[in-house]
Amino acid sequence: KAGVTQTPRYLIKTRGQQVTLSCSPISGHRSVSWYQQTPGQGLQFLFEYFSETQRNKGNFPGRFSGRQFSNSRSEMNVSTLELGDSALYLCASSPVGGASTEAFFGQGTRLTVV
Amino acid sequence: DQQVKQNSPSLSVQEGRISILNCDYTNSMFDYFLWYKKYPAEGPTFLISISSIKDKNEDGRFTVFLNKSAKHLSLHIVPSQPGDSAVYFCAASSYSGAGSYQLTFGKGTKLSVIP
Repeated sequence: KAGVTQTPRYLIKTRGQQVTLSCSPISGHRSVSWYQQTPGQGLQFLFEYFSETQRNKGNFPGRFSGRQFSNSRSEMNVSTLELGDSALYLCASSPVGGASTEAFFGQGTRLTVV
Repeated sequence: DQQVKQNSPSLSVQEGRISILNCDYTNSMFDYFLWYKKYPAEGPTFLISISSIKDKNEDGRFTVFLNKSAKHLSLHIVPSQPGDSAVYFCAASSYSGAGSYQLTFGKGTKLSVIP
């Protein structure tokens, strides 16, 4: 069974631009969550999608958005990039996203904003 | 306000000895706790979990202990091996409504196992 796939792996963008990151979950998984990891910080929750609906959102500005498609693939978009958006963005999938269901993470997309 | 805290950014242990990683939390609504291991350039991988109604869960060399009254959990690795060298994240799960459970992570502890 293929794991969680995130593309691209690395990205360099200029301040003010926008970026779209992609995540393909494990086959059969319907819940996709996104996290931001910055140096010295833990993983900070961005949002969760389930069956094409955003079920939960973390404390991030509206510049961060996402969506999920009918095949459970998900994208996240960051508009008007700031230097502080430089981070590792991780996507995680789980079958239904229950409390005891561990999330399976992708390798992440390393975004650098210059 | 950090709800899940890993107060030790790093830990060094001799190979064969016990590694003890600690985690404290503040939110009593957390009902499940998980540990993840992360190698550089890879995503976190699930290691072990424990329900809030239990005080111990064991899986091979890994044991997680939960002390609810102290809002404290710990991960024990016995014996430690060089391949265990990684960053370990403590995570806590809570219900966020609409069928969604959210994981709140600590900042991680970098474990170095010295041969």
